[in-house]
Amino acid sequence: AQSVSQHNHHVILSEAASLELGCNYSYGGTVNLFWYVQYPGQHLQLLLKYFSGDPLVKGIKGFEAEFIKSKFSFNLRKPSVQWSDTAEYFCAVSWGNGGFKTIFGAGTRLFVKA
Amino acid sequence: KAGVTQTPRYLIKTRGQQVTLSCSPISGHRSVSWYQQTPGQGLQFLFEYFSETQRNKGNFPGRFSGRQFSNSRSEMNVSTLELGDSALYLCASSLYGTGSSGNTIYFGEGSWLTVV
Repeated sequence: AQSVSQHNHHVILSEAASLELGCNYSYGGTVNLFWYVQYPGQHLQLLLKYFSGDPLVKGIKGFEAEFIKSKFSFNLRKPSVQWSDTAEYFCAVSWGNGGFKTIFGAGTRLFVKA
Repeated sequence: KAGVTQTPRYLIKTRGQQVTLSCSPISGHRSVSWYQQTPGQGLQFLFEYFSETQRNKGNFPGRFSGRQFSNSRSEMNVSTLELGDSALYLCASSLYGTGSSGNTIYFGEGSWLTVV
């Protein structure tokens, strides 16, 4: 069965530190890739997405992610985190075989110390 | 335009009861999917509807069911509630019904269900 793995469940960083959250998926076909963010008390919001083209995609708030097809990975990065980046981050993969299904990773809780 | 709207936002039910949750997708979106979010399990896919047809289903028992109406609005129902059904139930809508490029899904704020 297809799956999405997020390597870290909890990450604690100080402000200005660099961030990299890992995401790997298991599906051999064409996929669409997403990162969603859930700030405390808020609903899930799209951070960035990859459908095709340049494997390095840029999202909101200075986030970017790189799709490496050979590694089945879509890692999220930010050069310098801020306290306001404290949130839970979800990697998601979708594909279609006559239907539409999106699978989410378990999420990574990021806490940024001021 | 309005986002995905879910009702009710909060509800408390007793074990053995049933519950119906409602979702209105973004205008023009024909695909609606449902997820269960819990602290321990993360986001678990329940099912997806497109043009009133269920096309994908996650690994949940038959107590969990859903439907979609001709105006794309969707409902999900959970019968014979168990304590473990306490969770945030999220509805998401998307424009396209296939896995084609550009198929971003947008989430509602969710319905918080507590089973006591």
